[in-house]
Amino acid sequence: DAKTTQPNSMESNEEEPVHLPCNHSTISGTDYIHWYRQLPSQGPEYVIHGLTSNVNNRMASLAIAEDRKSSTLILHRATLRDAAVYYCILRDIQGAQKLVFGQGTRLTINP
Amino acid sequence: EPEVTQTPSHQVTQMGQEVILRCVPISNHLYFYWYRQILGQKVEFLVSFYNNEISEKSEIFDDQFSVERPDGSNFTLKIRSTKLEDSAMYFCASQQFGESSDGYTFGSGTRLTVV
Repeated sequence: DAKTTQPNSMESNEEEPVHLPCNHSTISGTDYIHWYRQLPSQGPEYVIHGLTSNVNNRMASLAIAEDRKSSTLILHRATLRDAAVYYCILRDIQGAQKLVFGQGTRLTINP
Repeated sequence: EPEVTQTPSHQVTQMGQEVILRCVPISNHLYFYWYRQILGQKVEFLVSFYNNEISEKSEIFDDQFSVERPDGSNFTLKIRSTKLEDSAMYFCASQQFGESSDGYTFGSGTRLTVV
């Protein structure tokens, strides 16, 4: 699976939007971009995924650059419950089923 | 919302003892996984399981580890002779179709402490 690069940590304030970046300059045309998050003392949790177009769901939005070399996870109005480690993971449509986790971005939300 | 259930939440065992970690995946899911996370480190893949057999395993998953789906609902991870370095959070996960566009559902984990 192609590699992703994320900042180690980010901080934001409650009720403000949060933009979590991910660089994946070696992405292939068949790689899906997945985001998971891990709340303290919990298992990872699926957030969103996309291939080429921007995606929205009840948890977040995913903005994918036109050249697909980067993406941004957007939390529209952060709450304290959104404090977690966020992982950006690429999955090849023809690749292995496993997820390969990096270090992720530790998001801190200030009240 | 359907959940993956893991038991026990915390297990303490003596070095050299066998442990079995249990998981109940989501009922209509076909692909099952075990991951582990040593304190302060990344989440690491251990094994994937489909159609009653292992489809992929990592280097960590050596002869001391085994998985089983004994009754069509439970999915277990056995460690035959635990070592201190097996102390970690163990996460079970399941996936409906095993496709790259499918999300995983993870359980809350079992914290294994080997003393």
